[in-house]
Amino acid sequence: AQKITQTQPGMFVQEKEAVTLDCTYDTSDQSYGLFWYKQPSSGEMIFLIYQGSYDEQNATEGRYSLNFQKARKSANLVISASQLGDSAMYFCAMSPGPPGGSYIPTFGRGTSLIVHP
Amino acid sequence: NAGVTQTPKFQVLKTGQSMTLQCAQDMNHEYMSWYRQDPGMGLRLIHYSVGAGITDQGEVPNGYNVSRSTTEDFPLRLLSAAPSQTSVYFCASSHRARAKNIQYFGAGTRLSVL
Repeated sequence: AQKITQTQPGMFVQEKEAVTLDCTYDTSDQSYGLFWYKQPSSGEMIFLIYQGSYDEQNATEGRYSLNFQKARKSANLVISASQLGDSAMYFCAMSPGPPGGSYIPTFGRGTSLIVHP
Repeated sequence: NAGVTQTPKFQVLKTGQSMTLQCAQDMNHEYMSWYRQDPGMGLRLIHYSVGAGITDQGEVPNGYNVSRSTTEDFPLRLLSAAPSQTSVYFCASSHRARAKNIQYFGAGTRLSVL
């Protein structure tokens, strides 16, 4: 069974600074996908970034990057130049891939990020 | 594009009542799933479906029932509501098996069981 661990229940960052949200995972699968989602106070779930287990380069999407360390089984989200609108809950997720994977993701418990002006 | 539509948005039930949470998607996604979100617990998978007529249990299936008769719809049934089922419920859909299976979520249903 897959397990996702987010050890930081809450994080604070100053506007315009960078912040790293931690995520570690546990799986015996060779092929899997790693995801980060954002949940603002309005409640919707927003996809941010994806990293495949066989991708050699770290994924980047605008101000978001995923620091993927496969041997350590970590997939930390880095947000550069934080903005007030980044204040939200952030969830790390992993979905098992082939062969035999369900492709249905397991989510971590989330990290609440507050950006101070 | 409507995406994933969940109804109702809010619901209050009494213990023992039954109800169905509706979920519909118009993206022709093969995969659909139901999660519940509780404070400090993240999203936990209740049931999922990989296609019409195929469903399977997730991490917390007890007290819930699902069926998938069409690609578009994936209702979640609470058979006899309990206070422990007070939660926010999210339906999600994604394309069939692929590594980058981004989940598209509905807006959620906030359920209170008294």
